[in-house]
Amino acid sequence: EAGVTQFPSHSVIEKGQTVTLRCDPISGHDNLYWYRRVMGKEIKFLLHFVKESKQDESGMPNNRFLAERTGGTYSTLKVQPAELEDSGVYFCASSQGWATNEKLFFGSGTQLSVL
Amino acid sequence: AQSVTQPDIHITVSEGASLELRCNYSYGATPYLFWYVQSPGQGLQLLLKYFSGDTLVQGIKGFEAEFKRSQSSFNLRKPSVHWSDAAEYFCAVGAFSGGYNKLIFGAGTRLAVHP
Repeated sequence: EAGVTQFPSHSVIEKGQTVTLRCDPISGHDNLYWYRRVMGKEIKFLLHFVKESKQDESGMPNNRFLAERTGGTYSTLKVQPAELEDSGVYFCASSQGWATNEKLFFGSGTQLSVL
Repeated sequence: AQSVTQPDIHITVSEGASLELRCNYSYGATPYLFWYVQSPGQGLQLLLKYFSGDTLVQGIKGFEAEFKRSQSSFNLRKPSVHWSDAAEYFCAVGAFSGGYNKLIFGAGTRLAVHP
């Protein structure tokens, strides 16, 4: 069974440019989460999709970040325009259910560097 | 506010030595607690979790953790460390917010293993 796949694994862009990160969850997983780790600090929740609907986007930093999950399959996270403080590792996770005891499967992350 | 503290940023142990990684949490209700590990180039992998019942939980790769409510702690232990255990370890609490699950992570502890 394929795991959670994230693309690209690394991205280096200049301040002001646009970057789009992609996450392919495990097939059949309705729940998809984005997390971010900035500057070696805590991994922080960004948002949660159930199928194509955003259930919780309380962690999104500002309106430069746009997450989509058209058709309830893969998801994209666009940063436009990127700022220096957006650098970090962006993780995607998926699960079948949404309960607290549901196991989350994480991807290996996208390392974003904004110069 | 809910939070997780991992006091040790880096730990170095010799192969074969015992290991204890510390984790303290702040959460109003009964917590759901997790330990994840991230090896280089890999996604976050669940080591173990505590939901209720026996306060000593066993996980994969020979790890265990003990939940101590009085100390708000959930320390991770391993009696004999292997070189392959070198990785970054994250403690997390499950926040059941608004009916949906999300994780609150600590800043991580990076483990180095000397031969």
